[in-house]
Amino acid sequence: DAGVIQSPRHEVTEMGQEVTLRCKPISGHNSLFWYRQTMMRGLELLIYFNNNVPIDDSGMPEDRFSAKMPNASFSTLKIQPSEPRDSAVYFCASSGTGITEAFFGQGTRLTVV
Amino acid sequence: DAKTTQPPSMDCAEGRAANLPCNHSTISGNEYVYWYRQIHSQGPQYIIHGLKNNETNEMASLIITEDRKSSTLILPHATLRDTAVYYCIVRVARRGLTGGGNKLTFGTGTQLKVEL
Repeated sequence: DAGVIQSPRHEVTEMGQEVTLRCKPISGHNSLFWYRQTMMRGLELLIYFNNNVPIDDSGMPEDRFSAKMPNASFSTLKIQPSEPRDSAVYFCASSGTGITEAFFGQGTRLTVV
Repeated sequence: DAKTTQPPSMDCAEGRAANLPCNHSTISGNEYVYWYRQIHSQGPQYIIHGLKNNETNEMASLIITEDRKSSTLILPHATLRDTAVYYCIVRVARRGLTGGGNKLTFGTGTQLKVEL
């Protein structure tokens, strides 16, 4: 398996633009997590899905952020409109029933100018 | 999940054992100790976990004190590639738990620097 795949690896956008980050979890995993990492706040859980259903979105910073998981093999994290303070590395991770660890993707480095 | 306390940084000579401590004095009986590491610019990587017995795998050993209030991650022969931030996380884990049980709360971790 290729592991958790995130795209793009790098994204530079202007303030006010819509940004969409993508994640393909490991095949067979039924849980998916979105994290954000900044120097100031470290690694924070934004939202997680179980069987494509959002279970806990308490970490989503504000309404500008939204996440979807239309099927078991794909998830998106959207920011609209983007702001400079959204600049961070966004990680996606997946796991599954009976699996004792989470597997992380390589992350998307987002820069909003 | 119980809170953990780790030193912000540690140094280790290549080839020597790296011993990374973690305090988790409020750990509950059903909570496991997990260790992840994050090499610069990469996603976090699982290392090892345990409940109360010492554990060993191909990457590391985990020593948990008898009262379970602290633990030590041991990298027996550290290499330059082990330079990373190491996170100690305490959370519930049980057989049959859905993957959502792998929701992780990261602290600030320990920056381990392995030098020649």
